[in-house]
Parts: sequence; structure tokens; C-alpha cells
Amino acid sequence: KAGVTQTPRYLIKTRGQQVTLSCSPISGHRSVSWYQQTPGQGLQFLFEYFSETQRNKGNFPGRFSGRQFSNSRSEMNVSTLELGDSALYLCASSLAPSGGTSTDTQYFGPGTRLTVL
Amino acid sequence: AQSVTQPDIHITVSEGASLELRCNYSYGATPYLFWYVQSPGQGLQLLLKYFSGDTLVQGIKGFEAEFKRSQSSFNLRKPSVHWSDAAEYFCAVVSYTGTASKLTFGTGTRLQVTL
Repeated sequence: KAGVTQTPRYLIKTRGQQVTLSCSPISGHRSVSWYQQTPGQGLQFLFEYFSETQRNKGNFPGRFSGRQFSNSRSEMNVSTLELGDSALYLCASSLAPSGGTSTDTQYFGPGTRLTVL
Repeated sequence: AQSVTQPDIHITVSEGASLELRCNYSYGATPYLFWYVQSPGQGLQLLLKYFSGDTLVQGIKGFEAEFKRSQSSFNLRKPSVHWSDAAEYFCAVVSYTGTASKLTFGTGTRLQVTL
């Protein structure tokens, strides 16, 4: 079974631009979560989607948004990019929404490395 | 809110030596705990998880972790480290805000293996 895939793997953008990142979950998984990883802040939760609905959102500005499609694929969008948005963006999928059961174990993709110049 | 603390930012061990990475959690009830590993430039790979039951959990790559409620700890161990184990290791806990939940990660421990 194929793992979580993320595209593109690398992106270079300039300040003020917007970017869209894509995540395809493991087949059969319906929950997708996004995380931002930076050297200074570590791994921070962005949001979680399940059945096309946002279930939870982290403490990020409204410039960060996401959505999930009927096939469980998810995209996240960052508008008006800032230098501080440079990070590794990780997507994780699970069978069920995060809630502390054996079916909600999250499996991560390789990430998208975003560099903002 | 639930959280995990990884006290060691960086650890160096010799190949063949034993390893223990520390993780302390903050949560009143039974926590759901995970260990992930991240190699340079890669995503996170699940090593093992604890939900309930046996407090000694076996994972992949020869790793194990022991849940100790009395010490609020979930330390990761390996009896004999291989050079390929050099990576960053993250402890995580499921944390709850009302009905919503998410994974909350520790700051990570970078493992260096000397030959």
C-alpha cells in the first residue's frame, strides 16, 4: 500500500505570493492533518480534516487555510507569504480523526520544503 | 493542555551501545503516546505507540518504550544502536481541546552515533 504522498517536494516563493501544497493520504484513510516544522518552533499543528470538514485548527493566522476533497486528498494554501513561513510542511493521514484510538494513528508523508525569499 | 517534554536536545552514543531517550508527559488521565523518527530531509516515521494495556511496547527497528505512570514518562530504548539510527526522535501525545484533538510533539532529541 502506498504511503502518504506530498507534492511538490520543494518550493521557492517570494514574499507576498501565495502557495498551494497537496497531500494524498494512504488509501482508505479519511483524516488528514497538516503540520509546520521549523527549527525555532518545532512541529506545530495547523489543521485536521475529516470527511471534507475541518475538525480542528491550530494557532495560525487566517493566511493559512486548507480543504479536503471527496477522495480525501487535501490541499493547504498560504496567502501573502512571509519570510517566517519558510518551513517543512508535513501532512499525515489516519483512518479516523485524531482522538486517541488505535485507528487514528497518524502516518506522515515526506513533506514539502517551502522557502520564501 | 497535554504536553510532552524531551529533556535532551542532543545525545551521542557509540555504535553497539545501548540507548535511552527520555520523554515526560503532562496529562491527568491515561495518555496516548507515540514515538516518531525523522531522518534528515524526510518525514516522520512511526516507531511505536501506547494506548493502553501492556506498559512495555515493542516497535520497529528494535526499539521499545515503557510507559511509567508514576514517573509520567515514556522513554524510548534500544539495546544496541546502529549507525543508521542517527536521526531526530520525537515523542508525541494526543492532546484535547474540547471535543477536538491533535498530536502535540516534543522538541525532539537528535541522536548522533559514533563508529
